[in-house]
Amino acid sequence: SQQGEEDPQALSIQEGENATMNCSYKTSINNLQWYRQNSGRGLVHLILIRSNEREKHSGRLRVTLDTSKKSSSLLITASRAADTASYFCAFTGGGNKLTFGTGTQLKVEL
Amino acid sequence: EAGVVQSPRYKIIEKKQPVAFWCNPISGHNTLYWYRQNLGQGPELLIRYENEEAVDDSQLPKDRFSAERLKGVDSTLKIQPAELGDSAVYLCASSYSRGWDTEAFFGQGTRLTVV
Repeated sequence: SQQGEEDPQALSIQEGENATMNCSYKTSINNLQWYRQNSGRGLVHLILIRSNEREKHSGRLRVTLDTSKKSSSLLITASRAADTASYFCAFTGGGNKLTFGTGTQLKVEL
Repeated sequence: EAGVVQSPRYKIIEKKQPVAFWCNPISGHNTLYWYRQNLGQGPELLIRYENEEAVDDSQLPKDRFSAERLKGVDSTLKIQPAELGDSAVYLCASSYSRGWDTEAFFGQGTRLTVV
């Protein structure tokens, strides 16, 4: 069973708008990662934030992590049609076990 | 550099038949994962290898699923016999473990349909 949940399950926005998706988990973690999945390229790693970090940026991506609330958010700024995909949070607890969340389906419309 | 290679990409079999999936991870990656992904859901871990040792297989239905990782490189996942509920995408991933900051690289997956 999955130990991460994401919301919203689905999100539809216009190109140029920002998209925010949230992830909650239940266990202690070493790091939290975000992945993107589309039919063309499969699952691709986007960004990793360590448990002792609170915020991280990579291009148009901004990730926050609140370990006290066991939650993370991914913000995509100035979205593009090419950002249309499913986004998954994933985290490592003990060892290298990588557990995924349920995913958010993002649709960016022109 | 070649990515994670999986074969076949698609497989259709009748229930009760056996099926096998193959994965070639990125060279030098010591950790290998097999995940199962149902439509509209996130990947669920079936088994994780550290080199040739299976270190996390609690989610693997051992009555019908088996896996091996030969010489700590390639891996095969087998289902025998397959059931209708096994229809899903089977994903292989690999990573090079360096502390806790391990990024996983995924193959394209094998889409299994059991009829």
